[in-house]
Amino acid sequence: DGGITQSPKYLFRKEGQNVTLSCEQNLNHDAMYWYRQDPGQGLRLIYYSQIVNDFQKGDIAEGYSVSREKKESFPLTVTSAQKNPTAFYLCASSPGTSPTSYEQYFGPGTRLTVT
Amino acid sequence: AQTVTQSQPEMSVQEAETVTLSCTYDTSESDYYLFWYKQPPSRQMILVIRQEAYKQQNATENRFSVNFQKAAKSFSLKISDSQLGDAAMYFCAYRSTNTGNQFYFGTGTSLTVIP
Repeated sequence: DGGITQSPKYLFRKEGQNVTLSCEQNLNHDAMYWYRQDPGQGLRLIYYSQIVNDFQKGDIAEGYSVSREKKESFPLTVTSAQKNPTAFYLCASSPGTSPTSYEQYFGPGTRLTVT
Repeated sequence: AQTVTQSQPEMSVQEAETVTLSCTYDTSESDYYLFWYKQPPSRQMILVIRQEAYKQQNATENRFSVNFQKAAKSFSLKISDSQLGDAAMYFCAYRSTNTGNQFYFGTGTSLTVIP
């Protein structure tokens, strides 16, 4: 089946450790996105990438880093510089500039807890 | 940046009745896309309905329909014949055609369906 996978579903880390969240898609989409979801705040954009080897900061990029070495993969690293990393993280993809299909498709999410 | 506002944090509806969720947005663009996403307790984001700004006709998908008022920058979602499975968080989203295909989300409306 085509879709977006995020692993693991739940992730626990100690404060001060970097952690990488996985996002893989087999939809052949050009664009990929990372969002953070906190209660009462909706989805906030962390980073997005429109094409391989290129990415842009979103609204809350501080303390996060990404890479886009392959079209199907867009891993997110939560660094120790992120002050409040505990949250639900959603990865999404979109065909990009195609006029015929322009919504985002979402993965199941990863719940990160840092103690 | 574009902003999306959902002024109803919580709504409730009797099963089989109709409910309308509100969404307003702020933009200077003339061409864009609007979406409603549903997030059930599983937290998987599901596309409910989409609307192209250049289309005057309101989109419909089975029991879901929108009231798109471009001049008023309003995009409400009507759910008819509400079912227990409609209980979820609903997010309104705006996609820019200019700023790198970014999506902007509202803070969500939590819908409860009363049996």
